[in-house]
Amino acid sequence: AQTVTQSQPEMSVQEAETVTLSCTYDTSESDYYLFWYKQPPSRQMILVIRQEAYKQQNATENRFSVNFQKAAKSFSLKISDSQLGDAAMYFCAYRNGDLQGGSEKLVFGKGTKLTVNP
Amino acid sequence: GAGVSQSPSNKVTEKGKDVELRCDPISGHTALYWYRQSLGQGLEFLIYFQGNSAPDKSGLPSDRFSAERTGGSVSTLTIQRTQQEDSAVYLCASSVRGGYSYNEQFFGPGTRLTVL
Repeated sequence: AQTVTQSQPEMSVQEAETVTLSCTYDTSESDYYLFWYKQPPSRQMILVIRQEAYKQQNATENRFSVNFQKAAKSFSLKISDSQLGDAAMYFCAYRNGDLQGGSEKLVFGKGTKLTVNP
Repeated sequence: GAGVSQSPSNKVTEKGKDVELRCDPISGHTALYWYRQSLGQGLEFLIYFQGNSAPDKSGLPSDRFSAERTGGSVSTLTIQRTQQEDSAVYLCASSVRGGYSYNEQFFGPGTRLTVL
């Protein structure tokens, strides 16, 4: 079974600074997706960024980027120029890439609470 | 357009009572997922629907939990004889099902269940 581990229960960053959230995962599959989700106090899960395992290039979305190390099974999220609105719970998630007839269920880590200080 | 909606937003019940949680997916989304988020924990998968059938029920924690989906749309998660450990936020997500392609799951706001 696949597992996802987030070793940082809480992190804090100063506004405009950069912060990196860590995530490691375990799988025997070669084809899969990795995600970072943001959950603000409203509870609404918002997809921040995704990475396909077959792609060597790290995904970026504006101020958000990932460092995907497939051999090390590591998938960290870097937030640049942090803003007050970035404060939230961040969850790392995994999904198998074999989609035909199978469940696309997500496997989540326990999350990292990010605080942004003004 | 409308996103995934869930009702009620909050539910308080007494131990031993049955509860029903509702999820309205995005129109046209054939895949529907239920997850549970307990305090201090990540989201745990409960059940997956493709249309009205549930090919993956592997996450349901006990036989007190059941779910159904009708008309390929609305889904209801039922918890019988609720226990205090059932207290959690129950999240629903839906996605388009398209074979070998990435299908983003869109989440609802969840139902917070409190069992006294």
